[in-house]
Amino acid sequence: GQQVMQIPQYQHVQEGEDFTTYCNSSTTLSNIQWYKQRPGGHPVFLIQLVKSGEVKKQKRLTFQFGEAKKNSSLHITATQTTDVGTYFCAGPRVGTYKYIFGTGTRLKVLA
Amino acid sequence: SQTIHQWPATLVQPVGSPLSLECTVEGTSNPNLYWYRQAAGRGLQLLFYSVGIGQISSEVPQNLSASRPQDRQFILSSKKLLLSDSGFYLCAWSVRGTVNQPQHFGDGTRLSIL
Repeated sequence: GQQVMQIPQYQHVQEGEDFTTYCNSSTTLSNIQWYKQRPGGHPVFLIQLVKSGEVKKQKRLTFQFGEAKKNSSLHITATQTTDVGTYFCAGPRVGTYKYIFGTGTRLKVLA
Repeated sequence: SQTIHQWPATLVQPVGSPLSLECTVEGTSNPNLYWYRQAAGRGLQLLFYSVGIGQISSEVPQNLSASRPQDRQFILSSKKLLLSDSGFYLCAWSVRGTVNQPQHFGDGTRLSIL
């Protein structure tokens, strides 16, 4: 079946270091979404990418959609303690309103 | 603006007891509605989704069921809870009619089965 995987599963960084999480789908996606879940909280939508090769930025966060629309990445420059949480990518299941969430990357930032 | 409410926030139930979790959405009409479960430290597992009143799609065979008695109300139920039903239950909504819409999550219910 359709799968969405993320690596790494965990990442510990020193505050100020960069961080990247990678998302890989077993099928071509029409779009990809990214969510952030703070510890003890619920997932919050960050951004959606639709076009092949698309790059979007939100302050220190850079999101990229692969040319083949099967992978994506989220890069955080100069991490801060407020970046702590789990980052999920999600892609739509073909022909449905359902999204398949990736396995998530848990980020811990050490001050 | 749209808001989504889930209750209760936490729940402790004995094995074999019934369950009813409620989710309501305000400020929008005809939303797609979703129930997810998240085990501790894990990803999101889609349990049910609904595109309209009385229309429920089940993702995983289990002892849970869902109902949508009103347009903006989504209920997750069980007649007899199992230990494996423990987890963080999240309700979400998205704009109906298109797949390219973000999902908006409620605060969730932390369910512990004893």
